[in-house]
Amino acid sequence: DVKVTQSSRYLVKRTGEKVFLECVQDMDHENMFWYRQDPGLGLRLIYFSYDVKMKEKGDIPEGYSVSREKKERFSLILESASTNQTSMYLCASSTRTGRSSPLHFGNGTRLTVT
Amino acid sequence: AQSVTQPDIHITVSEGASLELRCNYSYGATPYLFWYVQSPGQGLQLLLKYFSGDTLVQGIKGFEAEFKRSQSSFNLRKPSVHWSDAAEYFCAVGRDFGNEKLTFGTGTRLTIIP
Repeated sequence: DVKVTQSSRYLVKRTGEKVFLECVQDMDHENMFWYRQDPGLGLRLIYFSYDVKMKEKGDIPEGYSVSREKKERFSLILESASTNQTSMYLCASSTRTGRSSPLHFGNGTRLTVT
Repeated sequence: AQSVTQPDIHITVSEGASLELRCNYSYGATPYLFWYVQSPGQGLQLLLKYFSGDTLVQGIKGFEAEFKRSQSSFNLRKPSVHWSDAAEYFCAVGRDFGNEKLTFGTGTRLTIIP
């Protein structure tokens, strides 16, 4: 079974802090994704990566950056956390097929910025 | 651009009753369609997917969905719900060739009453 592991389940940070959310997958998937989930808004794509050191902006990249130095690890970085970034963050991975393929999700990191 | 609408924010059904969750999509060509379920405190789990072929798709946990091109719909059904089906359900649409991102709907929260 594919396992996508997010390093923290809950995180509380202060406004202005630099925040790192880590995600690791163990199935050698090429694609990795970061989504943000908010009530009434569903899941919105922040960034995705289809290969090591490759990244593309999703629908809401402002205020975020990402890093993918190894195939299995995809990090989401909040350069200067703000209260409007309080949310549930979901990492996902999938195989590279050239078309949309099912995503495998981690259990999420609930981030609170105070 | 592709989009997904889940018109029902919250649905309540009695245990043992039938269930239908609605999903409408907007996409110019043949879409790839997915239903995911999210139990409280968990990530999203794939229930079923439609890529092509038979328009009635069977998934896990006794769920099925029917692709209706004429109505741009992909509704999720279950003949008899169990208390453990209480969760949030997300419909998602993807594309073939060249785009491996999924666009998610805003979700439908399902409550089961005894």
